[in-house]
Amino acid sequence: DAGVTQSPTHLIKTRGQQVTLRCSPKSGHDTVSWYQQALGQGPQFIFQYYEEEERQRGNFPDRFSGHQFPNYSSELNVNALLLGDSALYLCASSQGAYEQFFGPGTRLTVL
Amino acid sequence: QQPVQSPQAVILREGEDAVINCSSSKALYSVHWYRQKHGEAPVFLMILLKGGEQKGHEKISASFNEKKQQSSLYLTASQLSYSGTYFCGTVTNTGNQFYFGTGTSLTVIP
Repeated sequence: DAGVTQSPTHLIKTRGQQVTLRCSPKSGHDTVSWYQQALGQGPQFIFQYYEEEERQRGNFPDRFSGHQFPNYSSELNVNALLLGDSALYLCASSQGAYEQFFGPGTRLTVL
Repeated sequence: QQPVQSPQAVILREGEDAVINCSSSKALYSVHWYRQKHGEAPVFLMILLKGGEQKGHEKISASFNEKKQQSSLYLTASQLSYSGTYFCGTVTNTGNQFYFGTGTSLTVIP
């Protein structure tokens, strides 16, 4: 059973560009959450998707948007990239509100 | 709404015990515990739902006092593999947002 997978592993972008990160949840999981983890900090909740809708959102600007597909996979889009968006982006899947399993993350560097 | 953990950092010798505390200002539905090693994703350890239950996993156990909105993680007879940053994560009674705690860096030395 494959766990949570994310792509790409690493990404380098320049300020002002747009980026799309992808996540496939663990088999049997219907809920996907996205987190941003800056270097040396704990993960910060961005938003959560369930049944293809954004169910909850953390304190992130509208530049951060997402989508969940019928097969439960998800995308995170970030527009107008800023230097401060450089971070590890983690995707976690769960069955409802229970334990979350994290993917390996996507390391985004904004130059 | 970020839970506060204590201590911020702890260094143990192999075989010693440690307690990590997590405190929230909000009424909690559940508390989750994760361990994250440098450069890796967080790894789920255990979840505690409101009801004051205690759970254990080998030499790692946890308790949840919903009245005090606190949880504690107990590591006994620590091993080198226990090193990492431990995060609690909370889900409040009023929403589905998941808040990671401030983190506790634990280092086990021989």
